[in-house]
Amino acid sequence: AQSVTQLGSHVSVSEGALVLLRCNYSSSVPPYLFWYVQYPNQGLQLLLKYTSAATLVKGINGFEAEFKKSETSFHLTKPSAHMSDAAEYFCAVSDRGGTSYGKLTFGQGTILTVHP
Amino acid sequence: NAGVTQTPKFRVLKTGQSMTLLCAQDMNHEYMYWYRQDPGMGLRLIHYSVGEGTTAKGEVPDGYNVSRLKKQNFLLGLESAAPSQTSVYFCASYNRREEQYFGPGTRLTVT
Repeated sequence: AQSVTQLGSHVSVSEGALVLLRCNYSSSVPPYLFWYVQYPNQGLQLLLKYTSAATLVKGINGFEAEFKKSETSFHLTKPSAHMSDAAEYFCAVSDRGGTSYGKLTFGQGTILTVHP
Repeated sequence: NAGVTQTPKFRVLKTGQSMTLLCAQDMNHEYMYWYRQDPGMGLRLIHYSVGEGTTAKGEVPDGYNVSRLKKQNFLLGLESAAPSQTSVYFCASYNRREEQYFGPGTRLTVT
């Protein structure tokens, strides 16, 4: 079965600082990989996804993530944090192939706090 | 487009009561899902559907039932609510381009 581990349930950065949220997955075959963001009292919004050969994926709001097969990682970064980035971030995986039916397995989530 | 909507937004139940959560999507998606979100556990899949009239169990199906009588609607039922079912419930639909669209959630408290 797939599993996803997000290192650090809480990450705190200053405005303008680098954001790094860590995600590792366990799978013998590279899955599809996703980052979602959840603002308070809202649903989840897709930030970015990895589904193909391009290992560096750019998403919305200046975020990007790099797929590293050798490290089974898909860490999320943003060069300069904004106050509006404060939210909870979820890494998720999905098996490739039609029989996966798009089902997602989520990590535990990381709450990002941005200080002025 | 409204996207994915969920009804109700909040509900408080007493142990043993029943209720149905409604999810509706207007994007003509075949696949739909119900997840529950608990602190520190991320989202876990309860049930899913790959088309009208079909349902399947996810990771945590016990205590829940679902129905997909119409393509645009996916219902989640709790026949006899338990305090362990206190959670935030999210519905999602899938565009088959590896993108799930989530509803705003239903916050359920069982006392």
